[in-house]
Amino acid sequence: EIVLTQSPPTLSLSPGERATLSCRASQSVSTYLAWYQHKPGQAPRLLMYDASSRATGIPARFSGSGSGTDFTLTISSLEPEDFAVYYCQQRSSWPLTFGGGTKVEIK
Amino acid sequence: EVQLLESGGGLVQPGGSLRLSCAASGFTFSSYGMRWVRQAPGKGLEWISAISSSGGNIYYADSVRGRFTISRDNSKSTLYLQMNSLRVEDTAVYYCAKRDSVGWNDYWGQGTLVTVSS
Repeated sequence: EIVLTQSPPTLSLSPGERATLSCRASQSVSTYLAWYQHKPGQAPRLLMYDASSRATGIPARFSGSGSGTDFTLTISSLEPEDFAVYYCQQRSSWPLTFGGGTKVEIK
Repeated sequence: EVQLLESGGGLVQPGGSLRLSCAASGFTFSSYGMRWVRQAPGKGLEWISAISSSGGNIYYADSVRGRFTISRDNSKSTLYLQMNSLRVEDTAVYYCAKRDSVGWNDYWGQGTLVTVSS
């Protein structure tokens, strides 16, 4: 099973600041990595897929990078609606696995 | 507009059973694989099962294999999860998700809460 480790667990930032989230895989997943945004009581939302492609309707302030074992999700300038928990997920091999999440909270 | 609506959650005793449903609309249900993902209280997301568009290919996480059964009725655009021998650690919000054409979960439902407790 591929283990995804996200860091930091919590990121305390102010609106307008840049957020950098990390996801590290226990073995190479190539670019078979996605990022999801999840707010309490809501459905998770696909943000990025194939490591660096934005999903439909996702604003350009979200970007993803990386390949192999190290990946980054960057939010260039935080908007109030961006405060949420973010998960990475791999589909390189079964079982599908998610990282433990990074909570982006308002400082 | 794609919509996924889970139902069937509730309180059940350890060892009991429950069947979850996920009613899909806004897309051709029979053309897409589907998944179940859960989130235990205070925990992250955990994939638990997947089924191909025809139902011919099925996958389970080790944590539920042998106890849970995924199925679908394409004539009703509905996904199911039969959960037997439930354990306290199965307590979670259960989400259904649509698989896109390459394998990502592009749409999710709002979830249904399953509580396993005596």
